[in-house]
Amino acid sequence: GENVEQHPSTLSVQEGDSAVIKCTYSDSASNYFPWYKQELGKGPQLIIDIRSNVGEKKDQRIAVTLNKTAKHFSLHITETQPEDSAVYFCAASTIQEYGNKLVFGAGTILRVKS
Amino acid sequence: NAGVTQTPKFRVLKTGQSMTLLCAQDMNHEYMYWYRQDPGMGLRLIHYSVGEGTTAKGEVPDGYNVSRLKKQNFLLGLESAAPSQTSVYFCASSYSRGSGTSGMEQYFGPGTRLTVT
Repeated sequence: GENVEQHPSTLSVQEGDSAVIKCTYSDSASNYFPWYKQELGKGPQLIIDIRSNVGEKKDQRIAVTLNKTAKHFSLHITETQPEDSAVYFCAASTIQEYGNKLVFGAGTILRVKS
Repeated sequence: NAGVTQTPKFRVLKTGQSMTLLCAQDMNHEYMYWYRQDPGMGLRLIHYSVGEGTTAKGEVPDGYNVSRLKKQNFLLGLESAAPSQTSVYFCASSYSRGSGTSGMEQYFGPGTRLTVT
């Protein structure tokens, strides 16, 4: 089955700097890669996602890049702000006819120091 | 819309006790999922449902049962709780497999923190 590894487990950056979180996946059939942000005491919330037919996607200060050959994808946050502090999870899945079974990475704790 | 709601928010069980976690969504989503979240392990899929009356096993289904009698509700049951089931449980729902990325997004509830002593 699919296995997703996420690095680093913790990341501290100064406000205004960029943050990069990387994930690798094992199943070459995976074709959907979402990123979730989880704040303390809350459920995960989707912040950006990408499908395997696209190499990069941007949404304001966040972007995701995908390298299918190397089977890795990354989250980039620019101009970090204190409110970006949270746990970030990557995930991978194969879009199936029924359901969308996500396999998550272990998470990255991002701390933005002001 | 309330989105995805979960009850209860917290629960403490003794080993061997049973309980049911309730998930409800008001977005008319077809698909619903139950995950558990443990420190250092991300979220792992327990069971999921692709429609009313249907359920399927996920990555870690042992010790859990589910039912989807109504489209808007998805129940997770623990028949005989064990300390290894101490975790935070999240329910999620999504519209469909979708085209492009629309419809793929899973919306998560706020979670239920379960402790089994």
